[in-house]
Amino acid sequence: ETGVTQTPRHLVMGMTNKKSLKCEQHLGHNAMYWYKQSAKKPLELMFVYSLEERVENNSVPSRFSPECPNSSHLFLHLHTLQPEDSALYLCASSQVVGATSNTGELFFGEGSRLTVL
Amino acid sequence: SQKIEQNSEALNIQEGKTATLTCNYTNYSPAYLQWYRQDPGRGPVFLLLIRENEKEKRKERLKVTFDTTLKQSLFHITASQPADSATYLCALEGTGFQKLVFGTGTRLLVSP
Repeated sequence: ETGVTQTPRHLVMGMTNKKSLKCEQHLGHNAMYWYKQSAKKPLELMFVYSLEERVENNSVPSRFSPECPNSSHLFLHLHTLQPEDSALYLCASSQVVGATSNTGELFFGEGSRLTVL
Repeated sequence: SQKIEQNSEALNIQEGKTATLTCNYTNYSPAYLQWYRQDPGRGPVFLLLIRENEKEKRKERLKVTFDTTLKQSLFHITASQPADSATYLCALEGTGFQKLVFGTGTRLLVSP
């Protein structure tokens, strides 16, 4: 497998459910990201992990809980979500670690389409 | 306030013509700017990066310009094809850890 793989591609859950989104990258990158994409809105950065440590948390509600067990895997645990959390959740990875970068190019997965009922 | 503006209306052009998409920004001083392509229901795919000291960058039928005085980037697709139909996102360096800030994207429709 190559690139960034996200599972599941589609998820429907009730507000009281607990579910997880999974992301795996096969690019040897050392930074991984979760983005949220809602209709008519720009991509919103949620979390950034560098070398398995969380380096950014953009004021995301605690009902979203990220986990990065190693540099290849990233999870987003979901609990008691709201209907407005329905969106496309995108995982991405990049090569560069640190405050400055050469390119900052992101490699995205195909996304997990989440619907909260 | 900081803003990145891309035309929210779809751009409709005929096959073979040149498509030009605009990205304007306010209150940013990015060292670089990137363009991505996104197909419906898929993740964005990186296309091109241009740095602040570069006026123009080309890749096959794609051309990007970056005017730091006008605070604007133009993205051109020459000899456009129906397969070029997609949403194109611009992203620029924001603040914080490798934070890329994205525009809302412009949808391009190329008719045969």
